[in-house]
Amino acid sequence: AAGVIQSPRHLIKEKRETATLKCYPIPRHDTVYWYQQGPGQDPQFLISFYEKMQSDKGSIPDRFSAQQFSDYHSELNMSSLELGDSALYFCASSAYSATNEKLFFGSGTQLSVL
Amino acid sequence: QQQVKQSPQSLIVQKGGISIINCAYENTAFDYFPWYQQFPGKGPALLIAIRPDVSEKKEGRFTISFNKSAKQFSLHIMDSQPGDSATYFCAASMSSNTGKLIFGQGTTLQVKP
Repeated sequence: AAGVIQSPRHLIKEKRETATLKCYPIPRHDTVYWYQQGPGQDPQFLISFYEKMQSDKGSIPDRFSAQQFSDYHSELNMSSLELGDSALYFCASSAYSATNEKLFFGSGTQLSVL
Repeated sequence: QQQVKQSPQSLIVQKGGISIINCAYENTAFDYFPWYQQFPGKGPALLIAIRPDVSEKKEGRFTISFNKSAKQFSLHIMDSQPGDSATYFCAASMSSNTGKLIFGQGTTLQVKP
C-alpha cells in the first residue's frame, strides 16, 4: 500500500541557509500536517492544510512557510536556518472525514543545521 | 506548559508481562485520544484510539482505559513481546481538527526476552 513519502530523507545545511522539505500524501488524502520532532522530544504540530488551504497553525516560526499544491503534495520552506532547527520533520496525511481520524505519518526528513 | 503529561519516561518489561503507560491531560475540550508507536528513524504509527464516551477499548493485545473525571487515560500492552520495544506516545486533540495532535513526552519501552 502506498504510504506518505517525504523527501529528502536527510538534509544538511549551514546556518542562515534555506531548506525545502517535500511531502507526498497517500493518494486521495486531501489533508496534510507538518510536525517537528527534536532529539528525544515529542512531535510538535507546525501547520496543516486541507484542500490546498491552510487549516490550522501551531508553533511554526515566521521564518517557515508552507503550502499545499493542486496535486495535494506539500512543501515546507525554511529560511535563515538556525542550529535549533535541527530536528526530524514529519509530514502526515489523512482523508478529511468526520469519521476518519487516522493520520498516516511519513518516515520524516532529518534536518541537520551546522 | 505540557498539556498532555505522560509517564513513565522509560519502562522495562519481561517478555509476556504487561506494559502500562499513563497519560493525563488538562484541556477538557480534548475529545480524541490516540496512542502512537514509533520505531527509531520512523514516523509514529497509530496503535489505538478512544473517545470520552467509552471507558475502555481493546484491540488485540492493546487496551486503552479512559477516566474522564480524572482526565487520565492509559495504555496496557498484554503479553508484551520484544517486537513491542519502541517509543510510545499518547496524544490528544479536538474534533475541530483531530490531526492537530498534542503529544505526551513519550515512553521508551524495552521488552526483555
